[in-house]
Amino acid sequence: SQQGEEDPQALSIQEGENATMNCSYKTSINNLQWYRQNSGRGLVHLILIRSNEREKHSGRLRVTLDTSKKSSSLLITASRAADTASYFCATGIYNTDKLIFGTGTRLQVFP
Amino acid sequence: DGGITQSPKYLFRKEGQNVTLSCEQNLNHDAMYWYRQDPGQGLRLIYYSQIVNDFQKGDIAEGYSVSREKKESFPLTVTSAQKNPTAFYLCASSGGASGSYEQYFGPGTRLTVT
Repeated sequence: SQQGEEDPQALSIQEGENATMNCSYKTSINNLQWYRQNSGRGLVHLILIRSNEREKHSGRLRVTLDTSKKSSSLLITASRAADTASYFCATGIYNTDKLIFGTGTRLQVFP
Repeated sequence: DGGITQSPKYLFRKEGQNVTLSCEQNLNHDAMYWYRQDPGQGLRLIYYSQIVNDFQKGDIAEGYSVSREKKESFPLTVTSAQKNPTAFYLCASSGGASGSYEQYFGPGTRLTVT
């Protein structure tokens, strides 16, 4: 079963704008991870935020985690056409060795 | 050049035939995973292995089988018992339990069964 649900399902923006994607989950987590997938390719890890962290940055990426609301957001600032891809959140569940992936947000950035 | 390789990139099979997808990693990772991705969907876990000669079923293991005889290799067999085998298959590895570690993905194998 998929634990994470991303919102929106699809997002179209112009280059230079910021893109925000949200992820909600259902059970207690050890960490939450964000991945990127270009069309027809494998996934690439972007960032991992642990359950005791509230915010994390990596370059143009900013991730927040609110464990009380069981939600996370990924912000991409100053987007570029090369950011066009699908973005997935994945939750690391306590006492398991698995990641549970969400359904993804398809981001299109127009030049 | 470290990473995960999957072969082939595209695979075509007739219904009723078993087919084996290859996954090799040289990252010295203990854990390896197989996922299935259908169009416009997220990833669903088929099987995973935390150590050589041991593996566990994921959420959709029916119709699939795996082996883990070597640390570097985790092949997936799609059997004729899998009702809807056409999909994009992704292999991944991690340095430890995925509860704490990121996963590294291969480029995927697109399987078409007719």
